[in-house]
Amino acid sequence: NAGVTQTPKFQVLKTGQSMTLQCAQDMNHNSMYWYRQDPGMGLRLIYYSASEGTTDKGEVPNGYNVSRLNKREFSLRLESAAPSQTSVYFCASRGTGTDTQYFGPGTRLTVL
Amino acid sequence: AQSVTQPDIHITVSEGASLELRCNYSYGATPYLFWYVQSPGQGLQLLLKYFSGDTLVQGIKGFEAEFKRSQSSFNLRKPSVHWSDAAEYFCAVGARGRGSTLGRLYFGRGTQLTVWP
Repeated sequence: NAGVTQTPKFQVLKTGQSMTLQCAQDMNHNSMYWYRQDPGMGLRLIYYSASEGTTDKGEVPNGYNVSRLNKREFSLRLESAAPSQTSVYFCASRGTGTDTQYFGPGTRLTVL
Repeated sequence: AQSVTQPDIHITVSEGASLELRCNYSYGATPYLFWYVQSPGQGLQLLLKYFSGDTLVQGIKGFEAEFKRSQSSFNLRKPSVHWSDAAEYFCAVGARGRGSTLGRLYFGRGTQLTVWP
């Protein structure tokens, strides 16, 4: 049982480069979330999608875009990476009628 | 606005000792409350959660937490810590409500637990 999967696990970018972080869940969950984790800051919500076809900004959306491609997949795009976006990115999903989020293993991103 | 405070950045305990990790929250109504654990290089694993009812909740790995409305607290406890409990622990509050805000989580900054043999 895969749960929430994220690719890639690690990535190094140069300032100004773009990339897309992929997230997929196989639990038939409606809601999906992207967080970033920085030392001493806990997890902060970047964007979320309550259902297929909808997305909303979280606490720290600047510099990011998202796409809810279908019910399973929710991608996070950095159009022009900056060193301030060096972080660990977590995707999570939640089913309707439950308030528990299930997290993926994370993507460690370094922007030079 | 919702917020979560974990006052202790780092706690060190000896193996076999008891543990209490503190969590205080700010929320306009009765919240959903969670404790997650993160081992090095891993994702977050749910330890336990409080939605309603009994204010003492049991979780996995022998952990429990008590919701105290009067103190706006949800402290995590374990009677006897094992070396494998060394990890970072996050408290989170979930937004209740309709529409797209349902299910959003607000995390504390985490408490790093070190266990001495």
